[in-house]
Amino acid sequence: DAGITQSPRYKITETGRQVTLMCHQTWSHSYMFWYRQDLGHGLRLIYYSAAADITDKGEVPDGYVVSRSKTENFPLTLESATRSQTSVYFCASSEWDRGGEQYFGPGTRLTVT
Amino acid sequence: KQEVTQIPAALSVPEGENLVLNCSFTDSAIYNLQWFRQDPGKGLTSLLLIQSSQREQTSGRLNASLDKSSGRSTLYIAASQPGDSATYLCAVRVITQGGSEKLVFGKGMKLTVNP
Repeated sequence: DAGITQSPRYKITETGRQVTLMCHQTWSHSYMFWYRQDLGHGLRLIYYSAAADITDKGEVPDGYVVSRSKTENFPLTLESATRSQTSVYFCASSEWDRGGEQYFGPGTRLTVT
Repeated sequence: KQEVTQIPAALSVPEGENLVLNCSFTDSAIYNLQWFRQDPGKGLTSLLLIQSSQREQTSGRLNASLDKSSGRSTLYIAASQPGDSATYLCAVRVITQGGSEKLVFGKGMKLTVNP
């Protein structure tokens, strides 16, 4: 299917475990982004990537790791999950350097117990 | 620091009304402004993108305007329908102190259109 997909859609994990959220886009957009959405905070940027092997921090990067070995994939890893990382995570892609709009995936609801 | 505000936080209207959704931002130095729609449990769907040099954009029953100097954008929804019920978010693209660019989001306005 064309577009941007995320997996899993729902995840429950325990404090201290490592968990990886996957993001895949079929548009060959150069830029990809990870956000978290929390009540009271709205959407906040975690990390973004301008191209394969180029990543940079956003507003709230602590506790997260990203990689981008292929243009179409941008996984987000929580190295040691904490309860404060319970959130809904959205991936987005864009032709950002051409002034393009961002297109969002369906999100992953993560609960850390 | 750029802040984006959407007031009111929620709005409930009868079907058929023409609606005006407001978005204000504190710093006029924006690259563009994007309106999104979010349905419950879903991701954000891009509705309209207005470049900083533009005054408005239209798509179907939606019309978005931008007044950079006053720090305001308006999303106009004509002849509202129950299917328009969703949360609407606006976001401005800005340059950070580090020289990168990012979207700054408002917290959204929850719209309910009653049949």
